[in-house]
Amino acid sequence: DQQVKQNSPSLSVQEGRISILNCDYTNSMFDYFLWYKKYPAEGPTFLISISSIKDKNEDGRFTVFLNKSAKHLSLHIVPSQPGDSAVYFCAAITSVYNQGGKLIFGQGTELSVKP
Amino acid sequence: NAGVTQTPKFQVLKTGQSMTLQCAQDMNHNSMYWYRQDPGMGLRLIYYSASEGTTDKGEVPNGYNVSRLNKREFSLRLESAAPSQTSVYFCASSVLAGEFADTQYFGPGTRLTVL
Repeated sequence: DQQVKQNSPSLSVQEGRISILNCDYTNSMFDYFLWYKKYPAEGPTFLISISSIKDKNEDGRFTVFLNKSAKHLSLHIVPSQPGDSAVYFCAAITSVYNQGGKLIFGQGTELSVKP
Repeated sequence: NAGVTQTPKFQVLKTGQSMTLQCAQDMNHNSMYWYRQDPGMGLRLIYYSASEGTTDKGEVPNGYNVSRLNKREFSLRLESAAPSQTSVYFCASSVLAGEFADTQYFGPGTRLTVL
């Protein structure tokens, strides 16, 4: 049972355009969401997060939108740059004490930004 | 400040052999985690340690054991390796788990092949 789903395995975008990566979740207890970026042969690195009490969080070129009623979040990258080419993982957590730090990850979307 | 380090980077085992994956962090984090990454599956939590002296099972703990040796080190042991354990293994750490979600920092990974 995949609680966090990224239905697009790959996405190709032209440099300078917007990249939109999508993520759906099924567990209504999730209250914190994160995006991680992963380059080949490296570990994932934290990119941006959003609490369920918000519907938008922005950090430079990266914006995450949360639609709780649809159980959907998206990551927007504007403008996209070749260095953004990586695998992006969506992750979710229920931040109650007895859940610990148990992130649930999606399958990942490989973004390719063409010059 | 090296962050999260993992050894070895690569390992090939025969079915039935045992080995220990080592992980250390120098960020004075309380919580540590072991994940495995498989194609199309994202990252799945194997075990985690919310604090020194405690360990708990994650999503896919079967076939693994862990030891939180001290605050810095968290090892993952495969007692009798199986081909199904061929994967890339990531260690991560975070300031604390529980009452709120915080960012997890990942090591570079160990690529394990079981023949």
